[in-house]
Amino acid sequence: NAGVMQNPRHLVRRRGQEARLRCSPMKGHSHVYWYRQLPEEGLKFMVYLQKENIIDESGMPKERFSAEFPKEGPSILRIQQVVRGDSAAYFCASSPGVYYDTEAFFGQGTRLTVV
Amino acid sequence: QKEVEQNSGPLSVPEGAIASLNCTYSDRGSQSFFWYRQYSGKSPELIMFIYSNGDKEDGRFTAQLNKASQYVSLLIRDSQPSDSATYLCAVVDSSYKLIFGSGTRLLVRP
Repeated sequence: NAGVMQNPRHLVRRRGQEARLRCSPMKGHSHVYWYRQLPEEGLKFMVYLQKENIIDESGMPKERFSAEFPKEGPSILRIQQVVRGDSAAYFCASSPGVYYDTEAFFGQGTRLTVV
Repeated sequence: QKEVEQNSGPLSVPEGAIASLNCTYSDRGSQSFFWYRQYSGKSPELIMFIYSNGDKEDGRFTAQLNKASQYVSLLIRDSQPSDSATYLCAVVDSSYKLIFGSGTRLLVRP
């Protein structure tokens, strides 16, 4: 019974490169959240996706960041032309559905370092 | 105003004491409330959830919800040094987003 799987666990990119972070939800879960966490800070909401739909992307920066959750395959958070300020831990969480009484479970996170 | 507010702490309690962690939220339409524990360098781990006003107990943990006051709390009885972590309050708001507070750091002194 695999949990939420994120890869890679650690990612180093040079300024200007692209970063792709993957999240495979738990079996039976069709909803994915992405969060960013800076050291000693809380989880900042970025985007909420259902398969093939972006439900809420109000936390995503307007430029360089995009997310998708295709019908097949993992959810992808894509950061183009990375800058040093993008260095953070990125967590995804999955839940079974949109109902109020469903809990979300987290993956191990991807630590992005921009050099 | 932040959507979910927590005191950042640290909250320091002696081993065996009760730790009380508090959280307020701004969206009256919020329906679901969660407490996560996060150890340094690790991912958040769900420890409690509550949907109805009142208390919910699970082992040493009790979650309390007061929707009229927009307040949710977590009590940890018989605190252990292994409980030392950051505790994150999370709320599913009226637009179904799962929003987190900035967390309260708990330190249990042996």
